[in-house]
Amino acid sequence: AQKITQTQPGMFVQEKEAVTLDCTYDTSDPSYGLFWYKQPSSGEMIFLIYQGSYDQQNATEGRYSLNFQKARKSANLVISASQLGDSAMYFCAMSSGGNNRLAFGKGNQVVVIP
Amino acid sequence: GAVVSQHPSWVICKSGTSVKIECRSLDFQATTMFWYRQFPKQSLMLMATSNEGSKATYEQGVEKDKFLINHASLTLSTLTVTSAHPEDSSFYICSAPKQGSSYEQYFGPGTRLTVT
Repeated sequence: AQKITQTQPGMFVQEKEAVTLDCTYDTSDPSYGLFWYKQPSSGEMIFLIYQGSYDQQNATEGRYSLNFQKARKSANLVISASQLGDSAMYFCAMSSGGNNRLAFGKGNQVVVIP
Repeated sequence: GAVVSQHPSWVICKSGTSVKIECRSLDFQATTMFWYRQFPKQSLMLMATSNEGSKATYEQGVEKDKFLINHASLTLSTLTVTSAHPEDSSFYICSAPKQGSSYEQYFGPGTRLTVT
């Protein structure tokens, strides 16, 4: 069974600072994908970044980077140069078994303050 | 770009009635769609996989007779909450895999259901 763990409490981040959101996962499948989604108060799910289990390099997408440590089964999201619009819930998710079914973590609330 | 829409965006219904939520892929075909439920301040939980032309696959613990899923065309999946009760009040979100991508999905904007 897949399991995603996000245990950090809500976070306040100073604008322009970097923030790291922790995510650990557990799966017995050797092929899996790790995702980060942003959910603002409107409720829409916004795809941020993806890391495949066989990818050799850490994924990056603009201000988002994923610190993938396979041996530790962690996939932390780093948001650089935080902006006020980054205030949202952030969900780590995983798919495995070659399908697109996603298992989500509990989420991290991030509030960026000026 | 491709978009997934949901209708309605919010609905209030009385306890005991049924409500239908639509999920449409607007400019692409989706043989598979997924339905998630999200309670306030909680995570998304996968309810079921909707398969075009065949029966939906439900996750463990999800009542298939209560949450009826129909995927009658390549662009439309519907979720019907039958005999709704206040505990069914939730945010329902659908998603569809992006064509040409092995992992990316498009999420709908969600439907907020309130059962009174």
